[in-house]
Amino acid sequence: KAGVTQTPRYLIKTRGQQVTLSCSPISGHRSVSWYQQTPGQGLQFLFEYFSETQRNKGNFPGRFSGRQFSNSRSEMNVSTLELGDSALYLCASSLGTGNFDEQYFGPGTRLTVT
Amino acid sequence: AQSVTQLDSQVPVFEEAPVELRCNYSSSVSVYLFWYVQYPNQGLQLLLKYLSGSTLVKGINGFEAEFNKSQTSFHLRKPSVHISDTAEYFCAVSDRRDDKIIFGKGTRLHILP
Repeated sequence: KAGVTQTPRYLIKTRGQQVTLSCSPISGHRSVSWYQQTPGQGLQFLFEYFSETQRNKGNFPGRFSGRQFSNSRSEMNVSTLELGDSALYLCASSLGTGNFDEQYFGPGTRLTVT
Repeated sequence: AQSVTQLDSQVPVFEEAPVELRCNYSSSVSVYLFWYVQYPNQGLQLLLKYLSGSTLVKGINGFEAEFNKSQTSFHLRKPSVHISDTAEYFCAVSDRRDDKIIFGKGTRLHILP
């Protein structure tokens, strides 16, 4: 069974631009969660989507948004990029919502904002 | 509000020596507890979890952790580390009432030859 895939793996953007990251969950998984990982703040929960609906949201500004498609693939969008948005963005999939004990992570997308 | 504290940002240990990575959490309600490992340039992988039952939890790669409710701790241990254990380890807590998870800042385990 293929694991969680994230594209692209690396990305360089400039301040003010917007970016879209993609996450394909494990086949059959309907929940996708997104996390931001930085050296200073560690891992922080962004949001979770289940069956195309946002189920949970962390404490991030509205510039961070996401969506989930009917095939459970998810995209995360960050508008008006800031230097502080440079981070590793991880997504994780699970069968159901809140299943943190059965959550599988992708390798991440490393975003650098210059 | 929940919080997770990993007291050591880095832990150096000699190969084949035992190691303990410390994790304390704050929560007023019952929780689920997790340890994840992140190898260089990879995502997170679940090492072990405490949901209920026995307070001593065994995970993959020879790791184990003990849930101590009175001390609100969930320390990770391994009796003999290997060079392949070089990674960053994250403790996490999930409140049973809501579908959110909080991670600690991580502990880098350096294995010395």
